[in-house]
Amino acid sequence: QKEVEQNSGPLSVPEGAIASLNCTYSDRGSQSFFWYRQYSGKSPELIMSIYSNGDKEDGRFTAQLNKASQYVSLLIRDSQPSDSATYLCAVNDKIIFGKGTRLHILP
Amino acid sequence: DADVTQTPRNRITKTGKRIMLECSQTKGHDRMYWYRQDPGLGLQLIYYSFDVKDINKGEISDGYSVSRQAQAKFSLSLESAIPNQTALYFCATSPNEGTPRYFGAGTRLSVL
Repeated sequence: QKEVEQNSGPLSVPEGAIASLNCTYSDRGSQSFFWYRQYSGKSPELIMSIYSNGDKEDGRFTAQLNKASQYVSLLIRDSQPSDSATYLCAVNDKIIFGKGTRLHILP
Repeated sequence: DADVTQTPRNRITKTGKRIMLECSQTKGHDRMYWYRQDPGLGLQLIYYSFDVKDINKGEISDGYSVSRQAQAKFSLSLESAIPNQTALYFCATSPNEGTPRYFGAGTRLSVL
């Protein structure tokens, strides 16, 4: 089992809908989790961090963490075409990234 | 000027050649990282350094070496390049106890 797993997609979501991206991790002792956005041909950009169970909201983005089930999610509300990118999940303790999920917002 | 600068931005080299990729930062961060990215494989950690005297191997360090010349400079070397090292390479920095936050623009390396 890989340490950080994501569905590679592509995930297609209509404009204005909620996009839901998921990530699972193998090390139950992991403490910090991050989401990055990467546009094609560009470098990754940190968009969310979460350390405690539950939800953390920042604008249209919500990160959800469930340590018991070892998953972390990113919800994007009111999806916009500019949200089309690859989203990378990272587990900081091991500084390891998932392979990323390609998100495509349909106009 | 960019906070994290990678040179060169593009490089084509031949199998067996030694090549160095350079990274410099103006953030004043102690932590620096080298990642490679292949299509569909996300970011794979090659080496990381938490200060000038601290160098650590990542997931895929075989075939690579690094040098931390100063707080601001972290270089990645391919001692004898091979075609499967063709990839996009990123350098990143972070504050102490932080995740990689500031990335360079990347170096696209092709090994023929």
